[in-house]
Amino acid sequence: DTEVTQTPKHLVMGMTNKKSLKCEQHMGHRAMYWYKQKAKKPPELMFVYSYEKLSINESVPSRFSPECPNSSLLNLHLHALQPEDSALYLCASSQDPPGALKNIQYFGAGTRLSVL
Amino acid sequence: GNSVTQMEGPVTLSEEAFLTINCTYTATGYPSLFWYVQYPGEGLQLLLKATKADDKGSNKGFEATYRKETTSFHLEKGSVQVSDSAVYFCALSDRQGGSEKLVFGKGTKLTVNP
Repeated sequence: DTEVTQTPKHLVMGMTNKKSLKCEQHMGHRAMYWYKQKAKKPPELMFVYSYEKLSINESVPSRFSPECPNSSLLNLHLHALQPEDSALYLCASSQDPPGALKNIQYFGAGTRLSVL
Repeated sequence: GNSVTQMEGPVTLSEEAFLTINCTYTATGYPSLFWYVQYPGEGLQLLLKATKADDKGSNKGFEATYRKETTSFHLEKGSVQVSDSAVYFCALSDRQGGSEKLVFGKGTKLTVNP
């Protein structure tokens, strides 16, 4: 099983709303990632969690707040978003043992977010 | 920093035509190289990978060879099908802050017509 499950598939929210995106994997992977993908662009890395600790934050605005409650779950809390934050949000996971350089990232199908 | 340069699309081919999508990279050290594919409305799927020089990755009739001397990882397929229509991303791995991150090219949209 190489599945990464993201919910919801689609989300429409207003600029004053608070919502959360959820990502789950049961492959025993210890690294999890959030990416943002605008139309006709490659994914842009937002956050990396390694062993449930935030490892990389690519200078993402504080209106995006990641959370890794356990090794299988990754959340992205959204608050006071702007219309330009509308995009496909992708979650990925990989094994990421220490010192490895050859890990494969497995991606979910994404959450398509529209901010009105 | 590390970067990936991918040929601009879109690419439109007839079924059974030969496909090449060029990819070159700039990196310190010897990163792993990947091709990911994204079908309409979906996330990314790993198509193939290579972890060291002269490695050839292959899957579903697609191939790419890790060429250190030309810093390239071109994607090829001998006979494309309509079902291969998708966006293809070349990527390399980059270690940062104790974790691994992918650096993507801009993507190449392939359309295969019957």
